[in-house]
Amino acid sequence: SQELEQSPQSLIVQEGKNLTINCTSSKTLYGLYWYKQKYGEGLIFLMMLQKGGEEKSHEKITAKLDEKKQQSSLHITASQPSHAGIYLCGADKTGTASKLTFGTGTRLQVTL
Amino acid sequence: GAVVSQHPSRVICKSGTSVKIECRSLDFQATTMFWYRQFPKKSLMLMATSNEGSKATYEQGVEKDKFLINHASLTLSTLTVTSAHPEDSSFYICSARDGTTNTIYFGEGSWLTVV
Repeated sequence: SQELEQSPQSLIVQEGKNLTINCTSSKTLYGLYWYKQKYGEGLIFLMMLQKGGEEKSHEKITAKLDEKKQQSSLHITASQPSHAGIYLCGADKTGTASKLTFGTGTRLQVTL
Repeated sequence: GAVVSQHPSRVICKSGTSVKIECRSLDFQATTMFWYRQFPKKSLMLMATSNEGSKATYEQGVEKDKFLINHASLTLSTLTVTSAHPEDSSFYICSARDGTTNTIYFGEGSWLTVV
């Protein structure tokens, strides 16, 4: 099975600081999805990466997929309290988005 | 943006009864929908993949007869927990794949409590 590891497991940053969350796979990723979740609520789609070296940005969040397609990073610039939550990466095993396998999640807290 | 709606958001049922959770894609056709279960402070566990018009594909260890999945149309999939027991209490969440973009969107989730 394809294992996904996220690091760090939890993170506390001061408002305004930058941060990076990593997602590493033991196998090549055909597609990598990033989501944000507040506990007990649904997942909010952030970005989807499919090509090696691809980088996408939305507002203050940037996600990259490395050339080997085994590692992705999510970078938040000038963090805000609204960024707090659980960030999950999900891997497409087949290239057809037939199902996603999720990482363990990174819990982000942003302090004032 | 694409929206997946899940209903009900919270449900309490008595042990031994059945409960149905609906998952609807509101502005795109979803040929494939997925059902997950999430335990407290844990990641998502895929239960089954639901394809429109065909039988669901269940993950290993998930009881087909207990968790009935129906995907009758391109915008609706349902999960029925049959003969529910307290250990079935959990957060269930669905997702739907937009076939034109391969983007997978999630519903808001449903809290099931079996008493």
